[in-house]
Amino acid sequence: GAGVSQSPRYKVAKRGQDVALRCDPISGHVSLFWYQQALGQGPEFLTYFQNEAQLDKSGLPSDRFFAERPEGSVSTLKIQRTQQEDSAVYLCASSRSGQGTNSPLHFGNGTRLTVT
Amino acid sequence: KQEVTQIPAALSVPEGENLVLNCSFTDSAIYNLQWFRQDPGKGLTSLLLIQSSQREQTSGRLNASLDKSSGRSTLYIAASQPGDSATYLCAAITGANNLFFGTGTRLTVIP
Repeated sequence: GAGVSQSPRYKVAKRGQDVALRCDPISGHVSLFWYQQALGQGPEFLTYFQNEAQLDKSGLPSDRFFAERPEGSVSTLKIQRTQQEDSAVYLCASSRSGQGTNSPLHFGNGTRLTVT
Repeated sequence: KQEVTQIPAALSVPEGENLVLNCSFTDSAIYNLQWFRQDPGKGLTSLLLIQSSQREQTSGRLNASLDKSSGRSTLYIAASQPGDSATYLCAAITGANNLFFGTGTRLTVIP
């Protein structure tokens, strides 16, 4: 595709609900990243995939957060039993390079999650 | 943990001025440094990526420099335009594929 696509664009969830956020990376991109951006802050790393392998999940804030990329393309970030502190914009990014460091990251427009 | 700081937090300039945005990072063992712009309600658009072996990169009216030893990068914008108004973020990239972002500089260019 032309760019990284994320859906839904906005999500409102009641506290305790589960949510699933989708990311369609640029076709052929090997690396995929998820970031969380709180209001007025820079994005913070959540997890990294190289193809279907989740190589780094050190940024996931709790075991309520789970990400997958089963076929090495589309990725889903799932948050179970949402809490108000989970309210943020969740950004997905992809890059062509398998290492993800020598080619620029391309970001989607994000999903704004509001937990009420 | 890598800490990235951006100064100033906000900047307002009249159209046509040249300006410099600053980024500093605490751990000089970075792989690359990348500058992004973020428009309200949007994702991040990559502007320039500087590899650790490079000292600067240029794209149009933008020039980014990197001094690893001092832990600093600057983004220079020449002849600013109202369309340049956005938040500018720098990110230090470690070999572990992590990007550590600053909190950004919110730029307003006044027509």
